[in-house]
Amino acid sequence: GESVGLHLPTLSVQEGDNSIINCAYSNSASDYFIWYKQESGKGPQFIIDIRSNMDKRQGQRVTVLLNKTVKHLSLQIAATQPGDSAVYFCAENGSGGSNYKLTFGKGTLLTVNP
Amino acid sequence: DAGITQSPRHKVTETGTPVTLRCHQTENHRYMYWYRQDPGHGLRLIHYSYGVKDTDKGEVSDGYSVSRSKTEDFLLTLESATSSQTSVYFCAISEGAARQYFGPGTRLTVL
Repeated sequence: GESVGLHLPTLSVQEGDNSIINCAYSNSASDYFIWYKQESGKGPQFIIDIRSNMDKRQGQRVTVLLNKTVKHLSLQIAATQPGDSAVYFCAENGSGGSNYKLTFGKGTLLTVNP
Repeated sequence: DAGITQSPRHKVTETGTPVTLRCHQTENHRYMYWYRQDPGHGLRLIHYSYGVKDTDKGEVSDGYSVSRSKTEDFLLTLESATSSQTSVYFCAISEGAARQYFGPGTRLTVL
């Protein structure tokens, strides 16, 4: 979910479990969505993206689900590993008045316990 | 990793001094972006460029200017740095309505 104030929403999971990170977006005109992973001290790293003509897209150990009816996006990580610990945030392309600009959510901190 | 470098990676400066951050890409992507990242705000767009000498403002452009004289370089200038501009700055590139790739970031501290 989106952060409130200075504290990010957090998700703590056990190694090997599946993780689900949620994101609500605001602009029904958005037609492109993307998930990033950001490790401490590094730049955001692309994970997976999806266009609005799709409901689901799978990558390696990750799946993105898009529910346009309720404007909700989720990232599922299978068999979560300690290396997955990071901040994850979603972005959409429709809120900035241009489809080559992205608007980013504030992120969710995922902690994987060994 | 996308071929994006940022320099300097860390900088400490004093209020009122000019500062220039550089983003360099080797991917020949058309679009380049400057963001700042602050706790509680996430990534916010400062300025972006859609071609050589073509730039436009983002949501937090006050106090910043940019220039792009070559496809591969995008410069961000703080004309007179203030403490409120202490932040981590990220450059990103893209080919358009598609994924953006980010650089490693520059941590700027204004005292």
